[in-house]
Amino acid sequence: QSALTQPASVSGSPGQSITLSCTGTSNDVGGHNYVSWYQQHPGNVPKLLIYEVTNRPSGVSNRFSGSKSGNTASLTISGLQADDEADYYCTSYRDTSSLVFGGGTKLTVL
Amino acid sequence: QVQLVQSGAEVKTPGSSVKVSCEASGGTFSNFAFSWVRQAPGEGPEWMGRTIPILNIPNYAQKFRGRVTITADESTNTVYMELSSLRSEDTAVYYCARDRYLSSWSFDLWGQGTLVTVSS
Repeated sequence: QSALTQPASVSGSPGQSITLSCTGTSNDVGGHNYVSWYQQHPGNVPKLLIYEVTNRPSGVSNRFSGSKSGNTASLTISGLQADDEADYYCTSYRDTSSLVFGGGTKLTVL
Repeated sequence: QVQLVQSGAEVKTPGSSVKVSCEASGGTFSNFAFSWVRQAPGEGPEWMGRTIPILNIPNYAQKFRGRVTITADESTNTVYMELSSLRSEDTAVYYCARDRYLSSWSFDLWGQGTLVTVSS
């Protein structure tokens, strides 16, 4: 059961916007709108940033936004801040009745 | 405020089983789905399976079928994950996580994690 594909690392400077990608197949990302994004700081529990491709839970900054095109979902972080430095994971519902995680992207704020 | 409180760290020998509990305190239990997610040291999270207490119908990731059992006890608002035939590669932090709403497949509430170490 292969994971969704995410770049291993991305970096950006404070104030910049960066986009993280998450590529799957028509059986998961491309075929369903149950794509989520999580932020995880070292030693902490994952935190939900985006659900159902584009939706933000209450309390999550509007600097985080999600989108999808075909089999690839994306997370954009605008106005990059030092505290955004963390690991980011995407997930997607996959046929049938399972969930798959991406391998994760380590974001470094320069 | 709803919290998920997990049982404590475990050290197990290869071939044995482990059972981790997750108690949902302070809120509705039965109308949500609860998943188990594990994270090996230095690795990304991995979904193991889930159950919906009100339906008592679990489903498991293919990788773990035959080795994992997820159950729920509505009388104590507790979900359990039992993993058998443990091997060193099962050393990980095991999390329970609750869906935002039934079958949303996104987790807005997580337990604190339970470290399971498999070592001879």
